[in-house]
Amino acid sequence: QVQLQESGPGLVKPSETLSLTCTVSGGSISIYYWSWFRQPPGKGLEWIGYIYSRGSATYNPSLKSRVTISLDTSKNHFSLKLNSVTAADTAVYYCARQRYGDYVDYWGQGTLVTVSS
Amino acid sequence: EIVMTQSPATLSVSPGERVILSCRASQSVSSSLAWYQQKPGQAPRLLIYGASTRATGIPARFSGSGSGTEFTLTVSSLQSEDFAVYYCQQYNDWPPYTFGQGTKLEIK
Repeated sequence: QVQLQESGPGLVKPSETLSLTCTVSGGSISIYYWSWFRQPPGKGLEWIGYIYSRGSATYNPSLKSRVTISLDTSKNHFSLKLNSVTAADTAVYYCARQRYGDYVDYWGQGTLVTVSS
Repeated sequence: EIVMTQSPATLSVSPGERVILSCRASQSVSSSLAWYQQKPGQAPRLLIYGASTRATGIPARFSGSGSGTEFTLTVSSLQSEDFAVYYCQQYNDWPPYTFGQGTKLEIK
């Protein structure tokens, strides 16, 4: 059974960089697509981007200038960096397995990141 | 960007009732549509993919239909554990993958 677990700071200051890591167990990240999503409190889901085994990433155009997703196959984890954050970036961030770039079959439990000074 | 619109935003229903949730795409997404269920404080759970294929372990009371721009999720007989928010997601055209705004099923 594949399991994903997000980790990282729960509080980030405005203009700084949000950094999260997703550790995958029960399967190799050398196959499939690995994604980040977010959900502002009380709102809907937003796709941030994905990365797959060759290290190639695709991002949401609305966030592309601020986002980097990377993969570390030796540690079986992948990471998200979102720079120049504002209060609008406050959300629960989920990592997920997005199969072959289609639907999500496994999700992490989510981690709330608050942007505040 | 494909815009996904779900209706209604909230649906008040009684346990045992049959309910139909709607999802409309701003342009055709073929059958590249998934449905997720999300309960408070939890991650979404995949229910349906390919517009009509139930994910592993999903009860038969959940069914999906549609193609192109119009889709429905039907719950044949609501159980207490089905009260949640439901999202549709298209994966026909990206980036970005897009979700509907959700339909909340609440107890009447």
